[in-house]
Amino acid sequence: NAGVTQTPKFRILKIGQSMTLQCAQDMNHNYMYWYRQDPGMGLKLIYYSVGAGITDKGEVPNGYNVSRSTTEDFPLRLELAAPSQTSVYFCASSSPGGSYNEQFFGPGTRLTVL
Amino acid sequence: DAKTTQPPSMDCAEGRAANLPCNHSTISGNEYVYWYRQIHSQGPQYIIHGLKNNETNEMASLIITEDRKSSTLILPHATLRDTAVYYCIVRVNDYKLSFGAGTTVTVRA
Repeated sequence: NAGVTQTPKFRILKIGQSMTLQCAQDMNHNYMYWYRQDPGMGLKLIYYSVGAGITDKGEVPNGYNVSRSTTEDFPLRLELAAPSQTSVYFCASSSPGGSYNEQFFGPGTRLTVL
Repeated sequence: DAKTTQPPSMDCAEGRAANLPCNHSTISGNEYVYWYRQIHSQGPQYIIHGLKNNETNEMASLIITEDRKSSTLILPHATLRDTAVYYCIVRVNDYKLSFGAGTTVTVRA
């Protein structure tokens, strides 16, 4: 199993540009999450999904959108990039068969907005 | 969520046990204690969790006090690869983890 994969690994955006961060998992997990981690800080939950077609906001959803059309994929969309969105973005997944909070994380996408 | 308090940093000698404390004096009866770690630049890695009883797996042991107001994560034989930020999280089992600042553990040769 590849686990949780994220693309791209790095990206530089200009203010106002848009992009989609890709996340996929091959563990058949129902639950998927997006977090952001600012330098020297802990992770904050942006959005999460409990299954295909179901998404909900986390702590810091403003400026982001998500969709979940399949169990495997959970893309995160930035519509109008701002410098405050410079961060490392982590995608994670978990299974209702285990503890919901036993989450498996991807390697991250490092985004810089200039 | 119950608030957790962890020391900001600690050092440990390679080959020795590393004991990482966490205070969670306002923990509720249905809240679990979760431990994660984050090795530099990587995604967090789940280590262990528990509710009331002590737990052990291949990575670590978790000791929870009888009143559940504090816990200790034990890495039995620390290696250089255990250098990381360790997060103690108290949460009900509802998939909404919240990560704080954690403890930066440095294992020294």
